[in-house]
Amino acid sequence: GAGVSQSPRYKVAKRGQDVALRCDPISGHVSLFWYQQALGQGPEFLTYFQNEAQLDKSGLPSDRFFAERPEGSVSTLKIQRTQQEDSAVYLCASRTVVTSSPLHFGNGTRLTVT
Amino acid sequence: AQSVTQLGSHVSVSEGALVLLRCNYSSSVPPYLFWYVQYPNQGLQLLLKYTTGATLVKGINGFEAEFKKSETSFHLTKPSAHMSDAAEYFCAVSDLGYGGSQGNLIFGKGTKLSVKP
Repeated sequence: GAGVSQSPRYKVAKRGQDVALRCDPISGHVSLFWYQQALGQGPEFLTYFQNEAQLDKSGLPSDRFFAERPEGSVSTLKIQRTQQEDSAVYLCASRTVVTSSPLHFGNGTRLTVT
Repeated sequence: AQSVTQLGSHVSVSEGALVLLRCNYSSSVPPYLFWYVQYPNQGLQLLLKYTTGATLVKGINGFEAEFKKSETSFHLTKPSAHMSDAAEYFCAVSDLGYGGSQGNLIFGKGTKLSVKP
């Protein structure tokens, strides 16, 4: 594909609802990252996949956050029982197998929890 | 551990003036350094990166940055600002130069650049 695609672009959830955010990386990109960007802040690492394997989930803020990439392509970030502090832009980025190659970012999903 | 500090959350320049956005990093291994730009409601776009070799790196849209190890700095400059440069700029560091790294990026908090006509 032309770039990293994320959906939905905007999501409003009531506190306590579950949400699922989708990332479709560039075709053939092995590595996939999720970042959380709070208002006025830089992106912060959440989790990393290499193909279907989740190799690092140290940035997930709580056990309400769950990510998967079952076939090594599309990834879903799920947040259960959303809280107001989960409001942020969630960015997905992908990269080829070459670790020095640049990360390509999607346009993000802006989540607002009311 | 690695970290990035961007001095100045907001910088304002006149069109045609020099742009200087400051970035200092901390890293226990040889760093790989990046500058990204983010336009409103969009993702991040790579401007330039330093890996090894020449310490002055040139990027897109006329931007360049110089890696200064002694000052642990990687400031971004552009000789003449254009209205289209108004955006938020993020400096990032990676441990890519370290064996076994997954290449995660640690970002600064960003600097919002405004360009006055």
